[in-house]
Amino acid sequence: KAGVTQTPRYLIKTRGQQVTLSCSPISGHRSVSWYQQTPGQGLQFLFEYFSETQRNKGNFPGRFSGRQFSNSRSEMNVSTLELGDSALYLCASSKDGRGTSNTEAFFGQGTRLTVV
Amino acid sequence: AQTVTQSQPEMSVQEAETVTLSCTYDTSESDYYLFWYKQPPSRQMILVIRQEAYKQQNATENRFSVNFQKAAKSFSLKISDSQLGDAAMYFCAYRSRGGGSNYKLTFGKGTLLTVNP
Repeated sequence: KAGVTQTPRYLIKTRGQQVTLSCSPISGHRSVSWYQQTPGQGLQFLFEYFSETQRNKGNFPGRFSGRQFSNSRSEMNVSTLELGDSALYLCASSKDGRGTSNTEAFFGQGTRLTVV
Repeated sequence: AQTVTQSQPEMSVQEAETVTLSCTYDTSESDYYLFWYKQPPSRQMILVIRQEAYKQQNATENRFSVNFQKAAKSFSLKISDSQLGDAAMYFCAYRSRGGGSNYKLTFGKGTLLTVNP
């Protein structure tokens, strides 16, 4: 079956602009999580969506937002980009997060965002 | 809040040899999951092995095994018969089992593993 698909793979934006990243989860997966990966801070949790509802949110400013559609596809948006937002953004999907068999998170290849 | 610590930023191993990557974590919870993920240069995170805290038996997946010491909050990964394809960044991760924040993974900073031919 198809894996988690993130688009675009690479993105270059200018400070002050906004950006939208997309994530298509594995078919049948209803939970989508987003992570930011930087050399300095490592992997940090942004937020998690399940059935179009945000269930959990990390410690990021309000410029970072997301949403999930009825087909479980998710988007994250970053407004008023700052140089420090340059990072690899990873999306992960899982079935529903509950129960031992559903705990595995499958990751996409990420979107490399560069802010100049 | 939970924290995960990987004290070895880099490790190297000779092909066919065994290497152990260390991970410690801090939590007040009694029920949780622990994971080792591998991130090769392609950047895609791949699950290597999973351990449920309520299980005393250490998880094993082919050449990969863990040493889970719950009281010591330690979760090390042993790679046997190392192969060139094992070269990657390895991340230890924690996930709660209960409600609330249980849908997020907390990662360590990672250990870069080099495999020498």
